[in-house]
Parts: sequence; structure tokens; C-alpha cells
Amino acid sequence: EAQVTQNPRYLITVTGKKLTVTCSQNMNHEYMSWYRQDPGLGLRQIYYSMNVEVTDKGDVPEGYKVSRKEKRNFPLILESPSPNQTSLYFCASSLKFGGFSYEQYFGPGTRLTVT
Amino acid sequence: ELKVEQNPLFLSMQEGKNYTIYCNYSTTSDRLYWYRQDPGKSLESLFVLLSNGAVKQEGRLMASLDTKARLSTLHITAAVHDLSATYFCAVDRETSGSRLTFGEGTQLTVNP
Repeated sequence: EAQVTQNPRYLITVTGKKLTVTCSQNMNHEYMSWYRQDPGLGLRQIYYSMNVEVTDKGDVPEGYKVSRKEKRNFPLILESPSPNQTSLYFCASSLKFGGFSYEQYFGPGTRLTVT
Repeated sequence: ELKVEQNPLFLSMQEGKNYTIYCNYSTTSDRLYWYRQDPGKSLESLFVLLSNGAVKQEGRLMASLDTKARLSTLHITAAVHDLSATYFCAVDRETSGSRLTFGEGTQLTVNP
């Protein structure tokens, strides 16, 4: 089954404790992206990657890191989480054709709480 | 800075009625996406609109794009309870599909 998976789905952590949220897709998509969803703000892009070893900042990259060492994986790293990073996080991927990415397929989401 | 505004943000309607959700955006773009999110779930792609005048229909939903007016509409025909969800539009800022700006979402409730 074609899908985007994220782990963990739920995470409660404390301020300053490094964490990684994994994202994996099995559709051989070139493009992957991370978003956070907060009430009243819709989704905001954190980082995105157009292909292996190619990453770029989205709208709200502060406090986050990513890497793209393999095509299928795009982990999101919070080196020193803070309470304002409490949010619902989505990973997404899409096919890139002719330099254009089509509709994005979203993972199930990771609800992160930082206390 | 690209702004994407949806209205209404909350919509409660009766089954069988028609309604339209509007998505206005502030800068030029030829690509717009509509997504659906059920409570506690992920986002599901509904429509990809790639040019001015594009119209797409799936079941009781029809989406259109007017790039000159910087406006997309999502029209609901004869609503049913199963359409209750939050609907997001997203605008592509860079014509590559890589930089999407989302609207705040429209929470639709269809009452029996």
C-alpha cells in the first residue's frame, strides 16, 4: 500500500531533550516536506526537500533540522525542543515531474507536546 | 508575503443544501490545491487546479480557479453528512509545487 508513515504518532517530552520524528514514504517520491498545524493557523511549512541531499527552509524553520540521506526518509529533528513547538506535525511527499510537484500525500501526523 | 484567506471559517449547513467556500490569495499563482481533513486525521488531496479557468468535479464537490481574480471556489451540491470535515486550500508560491501556503481551513458541518 502506498503510504507516508510517521513515528512516533504521539510524543510528550520535556524542554531541551533532543528528539527525532521519522518520516518514510514508499512511493519513490522525490519531494518531501514537513508542516506543523496549529489551531487557527492552518498548516505552515517547516522544511522541504526536492531530492536526496537537497533541503531548504520553509516558513517556520527555527528550532528544527532535517536531513535527506535516502530518498524514502526525511526525519525532523528538534535539537532543543521548547513549549512553543507543541503542535501537530505532518510529513508529506509528492511526485516531481518536469520540475513540478503534484498533490502532496500526507502522513498520519505526530502530536508533540513539550512541557 | 503570500496570504491565503478562506471564508467562511465555520459553516453549518443542512443536508441537501448547496454552498460555496471561497479561497482568496494575495499574489499571482497558477496552481491551487484543495485538501480535506477529517477530525483527528491527516489531509487528503481533493483537487489540483493548474491553470486559469480550471474546473474539477468529484461527486458533490466542484472546484474552480480564477487566477485573474486570485480566487478559487469549492462548491458543495446537495450536501450530505459524510462531507463534514475541514477543507483547506493551498496556493503554490513558486510554480514548482514545493512551497505551499495554506488557508486557515473551513470547518464544515452538515446536519441531518
